[in-house]
Amino acid sequence: GAGVSQSPSNKVTEKGKDVELRCDPISGHTALYWYRQSLGQGLEFLIYFQGNSAPDKSGLPSDRFSAERTGGSVSTLTIQRTQQEDSAVYLCASSLKITDTQYFGPGTRLTVL
Amino acid sequence: SQKIEQNSEALNIQEGKTATLTCNYTNYSPAYLQWYRQDPGRGPVFLLLIRENEKEKRKERLKVTFDTTLKQSLFHITASQPADSATYLCALERGSTLGRLYFGRGTQLTVWP
Repeated sequence: GAGVSQSPSNKVTEKGKDVELRCDPISGHTALYWYRQSLGQGLEFLIYFQGNSAPDKSGLPSDRFSAERTGGSVSTLTIQRTQQEDSAVYLCASSLKITDTQYFGPGTRLTVL
Repeated sequence: SQKIEQNSEALNIQEGKTATLTCNYTNYSPAYLQWYRQDPGRGPVFLLLIRENEKEKRKERLKVTFDTTLKQSLFHITASQPADSATYLCALERGSTLGRLYFGRGTQLTVWP
């Protein structure tokens, strides 16, 4: 079956612009997670959804970052007024439920010039 | 603050040998410890999970040990093959924040013929 998909695969933007990153989880997966992987760093947790609710937003680095999930399926991560330090690979994962195996998408590489 | 260290950034071994990767953690009481494989340009792929009350887990050529006294996990790949070359990530999941994974920076394994 289809895995987790993310779009776009690459995004180049100018400092100060807003960007939206999309994640399509595996069908039927109730939990969805966003992570960020910066060069030379480990994966950093950002936020997770159980259904459409986000019980844990504590990983979001600043109020420029927000995420939503609609219909218990697709999720969008929005970064407003992008900064160069936002450049990273943004990875999405989904699981049947919390504590189940997380399946990762290929990521979106964001470059802020 | 929480810290997860993987023994080295890179490990090079000859085909057929056993690769041993180390994951050490501080300030944690993990409920689960997981190992992932990540290939360039791709998201991590789940390999094995071990619970805090388990000492060892095996899957084909893979073996994971978990010592909560030493706060350490060892990941072994026996009879290594060039196709095992990848970055291996250690991730912890705490009982108080289930679903949220804390990752190490990874160890890049190269198996040469």
